[in-house]
Amino acid sequence: AQSVTQLDSHVSVSEGTPVLLRCNYSSSYSPSLFWYVQHPNKGLQLLLKYTSAATLVKGINGFEAEFKKSETSFHLTKPSAHMSDAAEYFCVVSVGVGGATNKLIFGTGTLLAVQP
Amino acid sequence: EAGVAQSPRYKIIEKRQSVAFWCNPISGHATLYWYQQILGQGPKLLIQFQNNGVVDDSQLPKDRFSAERLKGVDSTLKIQPAKLEDSAVYLCASSFRNSPEQYFGPGTRLTVT
Repeated sequence: AQSVTQLDSHVSVSEGTPVLLRCNYSSSYSPSLFWYVQHPNKGLQLLLKYTSAATLVKGINGFEAEFKKSETSFHLTKPSAHMSDAAEYFCVVSVGVGGATNKLIFGTGTLLAVQP
Repeated sequence: EAGVAQSPRYKIIEKRQSVAFWCNPISGHATLYWYQQILGQGPKLLIQFQNNGVVDDSQLPKDRFSAERLKGVDSTLKIQPAKLEDSAVYLCASSFRNSPEQYFGPGTRLTVT
């Protein structure tokens, strides 16, 4: 069965320092993987997606993620954190249902705090 | 382009009462999803519609939850009767048919007392 594991429930960084949010996936075939961000009292927003094209995926707001099949990882990074990056981040895998639709399986989330 | 609309944004009810949530997806999106997000957890899929047909409702507690999408556009999720453990944010999402990319609404925060 497909699943994702987010290795850290909380990450705290200082503004201007790099961000690393870790995610490992489990899938019996080449997966579609996503990172979503959720700011307080707001809906989920897609940061970036991997769908078997380039292994280094660039997203919005300077985030990127690298798909590493050998390590079954899809870690999210950003070179320099901004205060506005403070939010909860979800690693997500897409599972095909009925051959033509998709079901998202969410990780448990990583809460990113950015200190001034 | 208008996003996914949901209402109400907040709802407080007592246990054993009923409640309904409404969702209007992005225009042209054939697939609609309802998720439940309990505090501190990731969203969990409750039900998925393709047009007005149910594709997956394996995680929907059918003794108390129901959902419909009669005309293949907007959808309603109902809980009757509510339990304390139903307190959560209920998220609606939509996507183009065959696309794994889903767009989420702002959610409805339900508190059951």
